[in-house]
Amino acid sequence: NAGVMQNPRHLVRRRGQEARLRCSPMKGHSHVYWYRQLPEEGLKFMVYLQKENIIDESGMPKERFSAEFPKEGPSILRIQQVVRGDSAAYFCASSPRTAGANVLTFGAGSRLTVL
Amino acid sequence: AQSVTQLDSQVPVFEEAPVELRCNYSSSVSVYLFWYVQYPNQGLQLLLKYLSGSTLVESINGFEAEFNKSQTSFHLRKPSVHISDTAEYFCAVSELDSSASKIIFGSGTRLSIRP
Repeated sequence: NAGVMQNPRHLVRRRGQEARLRCSPMKGHSHVYWYRQLPEEGLKFMVYLQKENIIDESGMPKERFSAEFPKEGPSILRIQQVVRGDSAAYFCASSPRTAGANVLTFGAGSRLTVL
Repeated sequence: AQSVTQLDSQVPVFEEAPVELRCNYSSSVSVYLFWYVQYPNQGLQLLLKYLSGSTLVESINGFEAEFNKSQTSFHLRKPSVHISDTAEYFCAVSELDSSASKIIFGSGTRLSIRP
């Protein structure tokens, strides 16, 4: 069981470009969560998805950010027209059911640097 | 909505000394409580969790946490720390009985161990 796989591990973009971060959940997990980690700010919830559905996107910025979890393939977090403030580590986590009492399994993260 | 407060951003201690990392939470409903640990350049891993029953929960590497409902706290303790405990520790909370539950994390406490 390969665990939660995130790629790329490191991504460098110039201001105005697009960033696409991918997350393959653990086998058998149909719930995916995205978090953003900024220095000294801890982990901020962004979005919670199940296959083909966005369940909770209350932590997503209203513009430029979007997420999907298609029926086939990985979940994707997309950031359009990146700005320096988007530089952060983005973590994906998965669980077999809604979080509740369930432990989240985290990927190693994708570190985005915007020049 | 639930929230988590970790008052100490950094805690330096000497090796073999005891340590306590503080965590307070706020929620209008009953919650589950977690401590996750993040080693450098890695994703988060579960350290321990409180779901129900005994208010004192333990991890396999000597950490323990006690759920105190009246004080809405879930402080993490270890009687004697090792260099290998150097990491960032995150307290987290999720709501009971929610069909769309997410886990909310505190801002983290960086534990540094001095030899």
